[in-house]
Amino acid sequence: GESVGLHLPTLSVQEGDNSIINCAYSNSASDYFIWYKQESGKGPQFIIDIRSNMDKRQGQRVTVLLNKTVKHLSLQIAATQPGDSAVYFCAEMILNSGYSTLTFGKGTMLLVSP
Amino acid sequence: DSGVTQTPKHLITATGQRVTLRCSPRSGDLSVYWYQQSLDQGLQFLIQYYNGEERAKGNILERFSAQQFPDLHSELNLSSLELGDSALYFCASSVGGGSVEQYFGPGTRLTVT
Repeated sequence: GESVGLHLPTLSVQEGDNSIINCAYSNSASDYFIWYKQESGKGPQFIIDIRSNMDKRQGQRVTVLLNKTVKHLSLQIAATQPGDSAVYFCAEMILNSGYSTLTFGKGTMLLVSP
Repeated sequence: DSGVTQTPKHLITATGQRVTLRCSPRSGDLSVYWYQQSLDQGLQFLIQYYNGEERAKGNILERFSAQQFPDLHSELNLSSLELGDSALYFCASSVGGGSVEQYFGPGTRLTVT
């Protein structure tokens, strides 16, 4: 597959473990924060979003936590599977009625071993 | 499969040349976004179109331009290409102009030699 980036922070976990991927953001005016997953050779895939006025949101096997005090975002993946291996990006969104702009973080590579 | 299609998958060209990348959004989506992904700059937003109109601009160079046609497909034109323009170019689409969820295509890998 094609490389999406070198020298990315890497998190290595065992299958079945819980994974936590962290992200620091910069813009306090962002309306939403979003996690994307990018597998080798593919485009980013939307995982979950959280509105800026929320602290926590849960999806299927994933939970996103938002700490606005320290501008920190995390993605928790429960019972991590080999298929979860990918690069994970956090993104900040400015959302208006007519447009939306995404600013992506640098990404974290998650490696899941069987 | 996101439903967004991009052509070509790979493109190799020389410095100074001009290329056109094409994107077809998901059925029913009116917004198209273009992004550039490179090793040094990461994933960067370039431009957004909604129903044929430009809605938002990011870090798009003056040598680059885009448009969205009445059938809602979009093209990204890159001219006077430089070695540093080598990157993956992604198109994404969403239903509305201000939508949280964007669906990304598989990308076009541009190599400038």
